Amino acid sequence: GQNIDQPTEMTATEGAIVQINCTYQTSGFNGLFWYQQHAGEAPTFLSYNVLDGLEEKGRFSSFLSRSKGYSYLLLKELQMKDSASYLCAVKANQAGTALIFGKGTTLSVSS
Amino acid sequence: SQTIHQWPATLVQPVGSPLSLECTVEGTSNPNLYWYRQAAGRGLQLLFYSVGIGQISSEVPQNLSASRPQDRQFILSSKKLLLSDSSFYLCAWSVWGSSTEAFFGQGTRLTVV
Repeated sequence: GQNIDQPTEMTATEGAIVQINCTYQTSGFNGLFWYQQHAGEAPTFLSYNVLDGLEEKGRFSSFLSRSKGYSYLLLKELQMKDSASYLCAVKANQAGTALIFGKGTTLSVSS
Repeated sequence: SQTIHQWPATLVQPVGSPLSLECTVEGTSNPNLYWYRQAAGRGLQLLFYSVGIGQISSEVPQNLSASRPQDRQFILSSKKLLLSDSSFYLCAWSVWGSSTEAFFGQGTRLTVV
């Protein structure tokens, strides 16, 4: 089976740093993806990791450890507009090339 | 550039009525196409995926079906809607044969009454 776990909710304040963790157990592995989704909108792509290590994109970074089945998304210098759901997804060997998603982490940023 | 169109954005349908949601992709050929569903406060659930015309794979048994009559057209259907079909439906595409990200349409908010 496939299992992708991430915390349901997190809170943080403007200007802070927050780390959203994701653990996965899937049949095969062809990459891990992070998406951002604002309420009522479609998910938008944030980052992609297929090799171990850290990928940095401006205020957002994503880390992957394949041996541990673990990833995290790091958001720096938080802004109010970062309040959204963050979805961890894995491209496994099943379901063609479809992404299998976790339930998402709702991040609330307060001033 | 590639774009994905999904319509309608919102839909209210009575129980027992049929459903047809359409999704088209422009600017690419032979894309992988997907239908996802997202219940309130939950993650995205993969419903169907297609790697080519007429090729549909179902991930979750239910009263929904999908079809791909043309290379860049993907349709989600139901003959008789249930109350439990109320959800946010998302179409997505990705480049064929590549471990790249999927791109989502705007989504359809379906309410069955």
